[in-house]
Amino acid sequence: EVQVLESGGGLAQPGGSLRLSCAASGFTFSDYAMNWVRQGPEKGLEWVSGISAGGANLYYADSVRGRFTVSRDNSRNILYLQMNSLRAEDTALYYCAKRFGSCLSAVCPNFDYWGPGTLVTVSS
Amino acid sequence: QSALTQPPSASGSPGQSVTISCTGSSSDVGGYNYVSWFQQHPGKAPKVMIYEVNKRPSGVPDRFSGSKSGNTASLIVSGLQPEDEADYYCSSYAGSNNLLFGGGTKLTVL
Repeated sequence: EVQVLESGGGLAQPGGSLRLSCAASGFTFSDYAMNWVRQGPEKGLEWVSGISAGGANLYYADSVRGRFTVSRDNSRNILYLQMNSLRAEDTALYYCAKRFGSCLSAVCPNFDYWGPGTLVTVSS
Repeated sequence: QSALTQPPSASGSPGQSVTISCTGSSSDVGGYNYVSWFQQHPGKAPKVMIYEVNKRPSGVPDRFSGSKSGNTASLIVSGLQPEDEADYYCSSYAGSNNLLFGGGTKLTVL
């Protein structure tokens, strides 16, 4: 059974850092691009970042570029999101999502499995 | 880039059909056949219902279908069921390795 499970969320101060993890199982992790999507309180979905299957290609939304870094460890089947210089507007539930199918980019919206999310709250 | 535009709400009675629109531009919806629709029930993770404009993953009822005309994509739900009541989000590849979501539509089954 395919599973993805996020962890690492919590309370951070403005300007602080957090590292999110997403543990994957039930599929060959190294074969699939992965993405992070967030959802603010009572808000819609927002794409945050994507990474190619091998980890060589990294992609970011303008709102997080230069502050967030996506990475993956294909030997341990884990996806990461290092979040620095956090702002109040980064407060959200963060989902990791597995991309499926062929696509011209790691960030095409072909997401078949999502985790339950991990909550990040940025507040003083 | 701005989010894709969806109506905030839609509704229909059981058995009826409802269409939810998703309007973008020639740089996203109109430029690529990579439009997906996600269903999200309260407190749950999103679930893909349609991908690549009109493809349906296995397990999704054939009451759900998708289409695109110009810069506007549509999700059609026919034969509405009570369990279809949820939030629906469209998403489109927007070029230059960027991805956009719509603001979401709350579908109410009357």
